[in-house]
Amino acid sequence: QSALTQPASVSGSPGQSITISCTGTSSDVGSYNLVSWFQQHPGKAPKLMIYEVTKRPSGISNRFSGSKSGNTASLTISGLQAEDEADYYCWSYAGSRTVVFGGGTKLTVL
Amino acid sequence: EVQLVQSGAEVKKPGQSLKISCEASGYSFTSYWIAWVRQMPGKHLEWMGIIYPGDSDTTYSPSFQGQVTMSADRSINTAYLQWSDLKASDTAMYYCARGDGSGTYLYSFDYWGQGTLVTVSS
Repeated sequence: QSALTQPASVSGSPGQSITISCTGTSSDVGSYNLVSWFQQHPGKAPKLMIYEVTKRPSGISNRFSGSKSGNTASLTISGLQAEDEADYYCWSYAGSRTVVFGGGTKLTVL
Repeated sequence: EVQLVQSGAEVKKPGQSLKISCEASGYSFTSYWIAWVRQMPGKHLEWMGIIYPGDSDTTYSPSFQGQVTMSADRSINTAYLQWSDLKASDTAMYYCARGDGSGTYLYSFDYWGQGTLVTVSS
């Protein structure tokens, strides 16, 4: 299993919107609506932000949204805030009780 | 409140063995998967494998098969990750996470432990 492909970095100014892509294959992202996104601040554990492509756990701001088209999933953060600066990882179910993470994207809020 | 509390940081020498733990509370331990995730210094998250404490059914990532062993003790709601022959390349932060799923499907990893830092150095 190869890691899902994410851009190494993205940036945006406060109030703007950014989108992080996550490209997999027909064996993972393309086959299942089981894509999650995690936020990780430096020195902290990952935190679930989006699951099953579009769903938000309780307590997660509606500024975070997810989508998928074919083998590529996307995370959009609208109304960018300073506290959104973190690393973001996508995750996909890949069949037979296996999963794969993306390589991570560093979000910088300018 | 769902909580996963991991054991403390470890410093070991190459060739030594190690077992780290992840104690769960606030939910039915035997009804969810426990996943283990490695994060080497400055690197990305890597899925190592999962265990279902209900019956100790285990699936390992091909990258970690034979390198580590996962286990669970239902009597104390604790999952374990162990090594028998540590290498310097095992130096990393290790996270446990609760896996929500049904049948053979995993929906997500919804709660995470705080991580256990393992340092292997001679």
